[in-house]
Amino acid sequence: AQTVTQSQPEMSVQEAETVTLSCTYDTSESNYYLFWYKQPPSRQMILVIRQEAYKQQNATENRFSVNFQKAAKSFSLKISDSQLGDTAMYFCAFMTGANSKLTFGKGITLSVRP
Amino acid sequence: DTEVTQTPKHLVMGMTNKKSLKCEQHMGHRAMYWYKQKAKKPPELMFVYSYEKLSINESVPSRFSPECPNSSLLNLHLHALQPEDSALYLCASSLSGWDRGNQPQHFGDGTRLSIL
Repeated sequence: AQTVTQSQPEMSVQEAETVTLSCTYDTSESNYYLFWYKQPPSRQMILVIRQEAYKQQNATENRFSVNFQKAAKSFSLKISDSQLGDTAMYFCAFMTGANSKLTFGKGITLSVRP
Repeated sequence: DTEVTQTPKHLVMGMTNKKSLKCEQHMGHRAMYWYKQKAKKPPELMFVYSYEKLSINESVPSRFSPECPNSSLLNLHLHALQPEDSALYLCASSLSGWDRGNQPQHFGDGTRLSIL
């Protein structure tokens, strides 16, 4: 069974600063995918970024990037130049290559202060 | 704009009512999902349809009844719900079928359900 751990329940960052959200996972699988989803108060779950386990290069999407440490089973999300619209709950999620089941972490609430 | 459309956005119903939630996607995705989400918690998987067939039922009570009339449409029929069923119900879809885990799931805005 896979587990995803997000140990920080809440974080706060000043607008325009950089923040890193932590995520660790546990699996015995070799083929898997990792995701970060953002859920603002408007409630839609939005895909932020995706990382394939077989890729060594860290994924980036504009101001969002990940630090994928496969040996350490760590998958942190870095948000650069934080904006007020980044205020949301962020979920780290795991998917094996065998099926489409998403295993979510508990989530972290990020607040961006003006 | 979300490409997975859910209606209604809000629903209030009594415990004896029958209602339905609707989800539509026109991206040609082959798997569709229903999730239940309580406040400040991650979504919990309820059902998965893959190629219009029910692939996964995560031991959901029979008062929730899913239906997939075609590849673009997913319904969740509700009957005799309990107050603890009040939650956000999210629909999602993914390009691949259930047995190929390599595509992200794309979510709708959800239906906020309140049971009186």
